[in-house]
Amino acid sequence: NAGVTQTPKFRILKIGQSMTLQCAQDMNHNYMYWYRQDPGMGLKLIYYSVGAGITDKGEVPNGYNVSRSTTEDFPLRLELAAPSQTSVYFCASSLRGGSLGSPLHFGNGTRLTVT
Amino acid sequence: AQTVTQSQPEMSVQEAETVTLSCTYDTSESDYYLFWYKQPPSRQMILVIRQEAYKQQNATENRFSVNFQKAAKSFSLKISDSQLGDAAMYFCAYRSSGYSTLTFGKGTMLLVSP
Repeated sequence: NAGVTQTPKFRILKIGQSMTLQCAQDMNHNYMYWYRQDPGMGLKLIYYSVGAGITDKGEVPNGYNVSRSTTEDFPLRLELAAPSQTSVYFCASSLRGGSLGSPLHFGNGTRLTVT
Repeated sequence: AQTVTQSQPEMSVQEAETVTLSCTYDTSESDYYLFWYKQPPSRQMILVIRQEAYKQQNATENRFSVNFQKAAKSFSLKISDSQLGDAAMYFCAYRSSGYSTLTFGKGTMLLVSP
């Protein structure tokens, strides 16, 4: 199993550009998540999904969009990139709640810089 | 909403010594899960240990153990016989049994010196 795969690992965007961060998991997990990590701020939830076709906003959804057409894939779309979106982005997945607390399995992150 | 507080931005320990990282949380629920994640410089998020709130026994994983005080809403991580490879950012996280999302603290940077 590859686990959670995120691409790209690094990206530099100009203000106003758009891009999609890709995330795929091969563990047949129901739940998938996007977090952003800023220095000294921990991880903040952007969006999450409890299954194909179902998505919901997290704590910091503004400026982002997601879709979940399959169980495996959960891309994050940035429209009109802004410097405030400079961050490290993590995709994660987990089983449906109840199984030993269903810990999150993380991808290796994408470092995004918007200039 | 649940909150998770890690009051120590940075901690230092010498090799072979023991260090304790603090975490408190706020919740009105009785059934939930707590986690400690490690993030080394590689940026990878690694699960260190987990605790189910309904279990009174503290979880242990090799050199890592927790002190879970449910009434005090405290969940500290003890690292024994510290090693250079333990140097990392450590995050405490909370998950309600009825919710799908995880709430993280801001993290504690652990420095390990020879």
